[in-house]
Amino acid sequence: AQSVTQLDSHVSVSEGTPVLLRCNYSSSYSPSLFWYVQHPNKGLQLLLKYTSAATLVKGINGFEAEFKKSETSFNLTKPSAHMSDAAEYFCVVSDRSGGTSYGKLTFGQGTILTVHP
Amino acid sequence: DGGITQSPKYLFRKEGQNVTLSCEQNLNHDAMYWYRQDPGQGLRLIYYSQIVNDFQKGDIAEGYSVSREKKESFPLTVTSAQKNPTAFYLCATRSQGGGETQYFGPGTRLLVL
Repeated sequence: AQSVTQLDSHVSVSEGTPVLLRCNYSSSYSPSLFWYVQHPNKGLQLLLKYTSAATLVKGINGFEAEFKKSETSFNLTKPSAHMSDAAEYFCVVSDRSGGTSYGKLTFGQGTILTVHP
Repeated sequence: DGGITQSPKYLFRKEGQNVTLSCEQNLNHDAMYWYRQDPGQGLRLIYYSQIVNDFQKGDIAEGYSVSREKKESFPLTVTSAQKNPTAFYLCATRSQGGGETQYFGPGTRLLVL
């Protein structure tokens, strides 16, 4: 079984300051991990993904995430927040156990990021 | 214009009524998924299909039904047995040769009258 915990339901930052969104995961297999972003009433957009290559993953819009196996974490960061970053962010783990379950995603509960001017 | 389309954007259901949500894709992806999103609960998997004419129940399939007669289409029916259907419904696709990344449509918001 696999699970994802996003440690903060809301994060508030000022424009131009760093962003940190925290995620812990649990998986029986070497996981694939993703961060998706969702703007209000829209679908989800892939920010970045980790698939057992480099542990520091760079994504779109200046975001990056670091896979830390010893801490079972996959935190999302950005050096300087922009107003357009305000959205909900989901940390996601993929089932790699094979068979018909291959590719099933388990979602965290989401972190709403607010950016103040 | 390639991608995933979901229609309608908003859908209203009356008591005891079945309604069908459309999901169409022209990405030539093999696998398709339906998720339900409620505030503060992330996304939960309703049904998924790895190939045409085959589909499996997800974590919350009760009160829902699907079909996969064509590769491009994966409609979801919300039946009258689903007692709390108000939610945002998202369709996603995945290429079998493209790893585990799923790509999402714009969603349909279902409201009960």
